[in-house]
Amino acid sequence: QVQLQQWGAGLLKPSEILSLTCAVNGGSFSGYFWSWFRQPPGKGLEWIGEINQGGSTSHNPSLKGRVTMSVDSSKDLFSLNLSSVTAADTALYYCARGTWTLPGTHYYWDVWGNGTTVSVSS
Amino acid sequence: IQMTQSPSSLSASVGDRVTITCRASQSISNYLNWYQQKPGKAPDLLIYAASTLQTGVPSRFSGSGSATEFTLTISSLQPEDFATYYCQQSYSTPRTFGQGTKLDFK
Repeated sequence: QVQLQQWGAGLLKPSEILSLTCAVNGGSFSGYFWSWFRQPPGKGLEWIGEINQGGSTSHNPSLKGRVTMSVDSSKDLFSLNLSSVTAADTALYYCARGTWTLPGTHYYWDVWGNGTTVSVSS
Repeated sequence: IQMTQSPSSLSASVGDRVTITCRASQSISNYLNWYQQKPGKAPDLLIYAASTLQTGVPSRFSGSGSATEFTLTISSLQPEDFATYYCQQSYSTPRTFGQGTKLDFK
């Protein structure tokens, strides 16, 4: 059964770079989009972006170009960097697997990591 | 695409039939997913393509709708169903969620 294991620094100062990594265990890395989300305390879910094995990316314009995503296919890992963090970036961050149905029309997230709490404070 | 759920919160009892509505700011055909999230846990996929039940999800959950209006129905609430529910459009990027509907005990 596929599992996502995620990790990264949990406490940052303003202007630092948030860096998270997610490992795909027990399943294929190819054929999926690997996604990132965040959830501020007490609030709803926000999609940050996604990347496939080939490195094609899409991200939320609301994050104004601060997002960088990468994959390491040799290790079945994908990563998120968010630059110039502020207190507004304090949230629980999730990674997830994006899956297309056959014949590739509908898209959903069916496997999620456990989440990493990131706090930004001076 | 903006997704709006109603109600934002809902109180119900075990055995009740519950319906949550999700509206899209433009037509999204049936590119609509529903997730359940319990406190401190990652979301779980319930329904995709507006009405297709994810494998392993109990049949008391059902989804319907198309274009701009969608519903999630729980036919007979069970104790484990008290959670927050989110709709999400997969029609286009940026991928967007509704604000959530918190379902709690009456």
